[in-house]
Amino acid sequence: GAVVSQHPSRVICKSGTSVKIECRSLDFQATTMFWYRQFPKQSLMLMATSNEGSKATYEQGVEKDKFLINHASLTLSTLTVTSAHPEDSSFYICSASGTNSNQPQHFGDGTRLSIL
Amino acid sequence: EDKVVQSPLSLVVHEGDTVTLNCSYEVTNFRSLLWYKQEKKAPTFLFMLTSSGIEKKSGRLSSILDKKELSSILNITATQTGDSAIYLCAVGGYTSGTYKYIFGTGTRLKVLA
Repeated sequence: GAVVSQHPSRVICKSGTSVKIECRSLDFQATTMFWYRQFPKQSLMLMATSNEGSKATYEQGVEKDKFLINHASLTLSTLTVTSAHPEDSSFYICSASGTNSNQPQHFGDGTRLSIL
Repeated sequence: EDKVVQSPLSLVVHEGDTVTLNCSYEVTNFRSLLWYKQEKKAPTFLFMLTSSGIEKKSGRLSSILDKKELSSILNITATQTGDSAIYLCAVGGYTSGTYKYIFGTGTRLKVLA
């Protein structure tokens, strides 16, 4: 089945640090990648939709200058949390889908971000 | 506003019981409904239901899509402790020209031995 790799799996860093999270589709071309945030005991909240070669579409309330998304190729999208603060601590998950909207999105294993 | 609602929010059953999880939705330009199982990490894919495939089955799990009622159910028969997880329903549709998925709140299932 389709495989999506997300790295790193865990990050612990000081407040003010910028953190980059990578999401790769390993065996298919991901025209669209999604970035989600999940708080404890809550569901996934879509942050942004990223299409290869174009600017990401951010959901209402998500700061695009805070959460920088780059989708430079059909297999890689990155999320950079800039100048992270403790309130940015969360579980971030990416997913990827191919060219056919009849195919499901597949998730990476997620990144647990802890800002001290 | 697009939304996906799941019920119940949580459920505790004993091994061997059958459970039915519900998902209802209001999503612009509906294309698909997906069920995922989430344990400790990211969700794992269970089923995808579309207009051309409204019923799916895999082992003890099955799912049906009711496009008239804008809802879906996920059935798990003969539950096992390994079925304990959060079950997420996601609905895919086009909003403002962008294809995206809206997730429900999830149902937390606990199966007791």
